[in-house]
Amino acid sequence: GNSVTQMEGPVTLSEEAFLTINCTYTATGYPSLFWYVQYPGEGLQLLLKATKADDKGSNKGFEATYRKETTSFHLEKGSVQVSDSAVYFCALVYGGTSYGKLTFGQGTILTVHP
Amino acid sequence: NAGVTQTPKFRILKIGQSMTLQCTQDMNHNYMYWYRQDPGMGLKLIYYSVGAGITDKGEVPNGYNVSRSTTEDFPLRLELAAPSQTSVYFCASRGLAGIGVMETQYFGPGTRLLVL
Repeated sequence: GNSVTQMEGPVTLSEEAFLTINCTYTATGYPSLFWYVQYPGEGLQLLLKATKADDKGSNKGFEATYRKETTSFHLEKGSVQVSDSAVYFCALVYGGTSYGKLTFGQGTILTVHP
Repeated sequence: NAGVTQTPKFRILKIGQSMTLQCTQDMNHNYMYWYRQDPGMGLKLIYYSVGAGITDKGEVPNGYNVSRSTTEDFPLRLELAAPSQTSVYFCASRGLAGIGVMETQYFGPGTRLLVL
């Protein structure tokens, strides 16, 4: 079946540091890939997405590229801010008859210090 | 638009009690989902619905029931609460996707449930 694996957390960085959160997936066919962010006490919000190989999703300075050859969708940001402290989830959905059901990674806690 | 709303925000249940978690969306979305989030784990799908009157099991349905009598509402029922159901529950909804389009799921703020 489909699965998503994220790098172990938590991740602690200083403000303006470079961020990478690794995400790899196992899926049949060609899934769509997502990064969701969960700020403290809130629900999940879509951060970015990519629907086919070599697509790059970007939002709020975050980027991720859909790499079919390595089955990866790593999240990057060049300069993190304290306000980026949150839990980040990588997820996939497989088209066809999946009815949009998301498969999530376990989440990575990011803490950014001033 | 309020988006996806959930009530209550927090609840403590005793073992064996029952309760219903409410979820409402005002975006006229066909698809709705219930997930649970356990500490250190990703979200697991409990049940989902593709439209009024149509529901199906997800990955972890045991101990739960759902109904979908209207497009807007998708309540989740716990009949006999167990400590293993202590979790944070998220409801989500999604519109119909067009050809080549992958619609986004919108999440509610969550319900934190503690079973003692």
